[in-house]
Amino acid sequence: KAGVTQTPRYLIKTRGQQVTLSCSPISGHRSVSWYQQTPGQGLQFLFEYFSETQRNKGNFPGRFSGRQFSNSRSEMNVSTLELGDSALYLCASSPGQSETQYFGPGTRLLVL
Amino acid sequence: QKEVEQNSGPLSVPEGAIASLNCTYSDRGSQSFFWYRQYSGKSPELIMSIYSNGDKEDGRFTAQLNKASQYVSLLIRDSQPSDSATYLCAVNYKDSNYQLIWGAGTKLIIKP
Repeated sequence: KAGVTQTPRYLIKTRGQQVTLSCSPISGHRSVSWYQQTPGQGLQFLFEYFSETQRNKGNFPGRFSGRQFSNSRSEMNVSTLELGDSALYLCASSPGQSETQYFGPGTRLLVL
Repeated sequence: QKEVEQNSGPLSVPEGAIASLNCTYSDRGSQSFFWYRQYSGKSPELIMSIYSNGDKEDGRFTAQLNKASQYVSLLIRDSQPSDSATYLCAVNYKDSNYQLIWGAGTKLIIKP
């Protein structure tokens, strides 16, 4: 079974731009969670989607948004990028609520 | 307050010894507990999950759960240099819509 895929793997943007990251979960998984990780830091939870509905949300500004499609694929968007948004963005999928999460390889975003 | 506490380390262990990693949590209603390993620059990968009090063994890894004392630990026997990584503990929080709450991780260094 194919794992979680994330595109793109690397991205360079400038301040003020916006970016969209994509995540395709493991086949059959209905839950997708997004995390931000900066060097030396733990996982900061962004949001979780289940069956196209946002179920949980972390403490991030409204510039960070996401959605999930009927095929469980998910996207997250960051508008008006700031230098501090430079990070590894990780997507994790799970079959359902509070089940084991499986991570994708991540998208490394650099904001200049 | 949702909290999962881990000693940030680094924890230095000689090769061949037992590495002991600990994690405490604050929600008595938590039911699912996970240990992940993360190599530098990579995404977290699942080591094991545990749901019931007691020990669960998988190869060189043993997870121990004590719900009364609200801690979960991970033992690594016969530690190898390849075990050097950051170990993340995650706990589902019943009172937060079963959101997975993550510890900041413990950096483990296995010295040859």
